[in-house]
Amino acid sequence: DVWMTQSPLSLPVTLGQPASISCRSSRSLIYSDGNTYLNWFHQRPGQSPRRLIYKVSNRDSGVPDRFSGSVSGTDFTLKISRVEAEDVGVYYCMQGTHWPITFGQGTRLEIK
Amino acid sequence: QVQLQQWGAGLLKPSETLSLTCAVYGGSLNNYYWSWIRQPPGKGLEWIGEVYHSGNTNYNPSLKSRVTISVDTSKNQFSLRLNSVTAADTGVYYCVRGRLMWYGAEMDVWDNGTTVTVSA
Repeated sequence: DVWMTQSPLSLPVTLGQPASISCRSSRSLIYSDGNTYLNWFHQRPGQSPRRLIYKVSNRDSGVPDRFSGSVSGTDFTLKISRVEAEDVGVYYCMQGTHWPITFGQGTRLEIK
Repeated sequence: QVQLQQWGAGLLKPSETLSLTCAVYGGSLNNYYWSWIRQPPGKGLEWIGEVYHSGNTNYNPSLKSRVTISVDTSKNQFSLRLNSVTAADTGVYYCVRGRLMWYGAEMDVWDNGTTVTVSA
């Protein structure tokens, strides 16, 4: 299996400040079609996960542009330029390149 | 846009079979793999497996011996069966639109999830 290691697991952030979540994969996530299937999800308490970012850096419709994704090798990063109250919850990375599909452990973002 | 809605028994006894069905609205099953994902209480997400509209399946090896995922194209539905459940199978189960054939997984559409509890 491909291991997805997220850090930090807990992220207290002041409103208006930036936040960054790291996700490291145990192997390359480049698929046979040349794309890298690394997705980011946000889950609020009691809700289903919602996809924010697909294929490393593409924002889903309706996702604010304060969210961005990037990659360096097998290290993936989700950045929030200015955290807002609605951003609280748990963030998961997911690799969709290798089977079985695997998720990171989750990073819980809270407001200080 | 595509929406998913599932149903099934929410309370099971150990050794029973978990059975959930997910209906696809606003779109067709065709050309996509459809996944089941679960989340134990207070924990992370685990991919269970996927089914294509042709019936082709892929399963997580950790659950493969107990899982069957099937599809009914006439009803635009797909289903999950998990045999011999234990308390470790307790959690929220999600049905998800996973990926196009020949492409990687993107998990773009999720349902609201169903809570399944296994208890004697």
